[in-house]
Amino acid sequence: DAGVIQSPRHEVTEMGQEVTLRCKPISGHNSLFWYRQTMMRGLELLIYFNNNVPIDDSGMPEDRFSAKMPNASFSTLKIQPSEPRDSAVYFCASSFGVLGTEAFFGQGTRLTVV
Amino acid sequence: SQQGEEDPQALSIQEGENATMNCSYKTSINNLQWYRQNSGRGLVHLILIRSNEREKHSGRLRVTLDTSKKSSSLLITASRAADTASYFCATGLRDDKIIFGKGTRLHILP
Repeated sequence: DAGVIQSPRHEVTEMGQEVTLRCKPISGHNSLFWYRQTMMRGLELLIYFNNNVPIDDSGMPEDRFSAKMPNASFSTLKIQPSEPRDSAVYFCASSFGVLGTEAFFGQGTRLTVV
Repeated sequence: SQQGEEDPQALSIQEGENATMNCSYKTSINNLQWYRQNSGRGLVHLILIRSNEREKHSGRLRVTLDTSKKSSSLLITASRAADTASYFCATGLRDDKIIFGKGTRLHILP
């Protein structure tokens, strides 16, 4: 398996634009996590899905953020409209989330909003 | 919100020495995990210890868990230059959520 695949690796966009980050989890994994990493706040859990269903989105900073998982092999995190304070590295991770197992991370998307 | 908190925030040691990092957390957990992150890369899972376990070993890694104190430690023995990275503890909660601390930056000096 190629691991968790995220795209794009880098994204530079202007304030106000819509940004869509993509993630392909490891085949067979049933939990998917979106995290945001910044120097100030560390690694924050934004939302996680179990069996394609959003379980907890309490970490989503505001209504500008939305996430979907239309099937077991694909998820998106959308920011609309984007703001400079959204600049961060966004990680997607997946796990076989039964009774707690480790998460496998993608390489991340470095987002810069100017 | 952060669940785990690592201590120290940064650690520099000589190659060959042992490195110890600590983690404290707040709520009941299903398991506790340690991850490593090299600069500019994703996190890599190192070891998982379940709430009913007290100690676990994997190669040069030794993890302890004290659920009464809500704390864990990661020991890296005979450190190498390649161990330079950030290390994160993460709590696996009963609803399968995984929450990370802010990490310890470990620097191995040659």
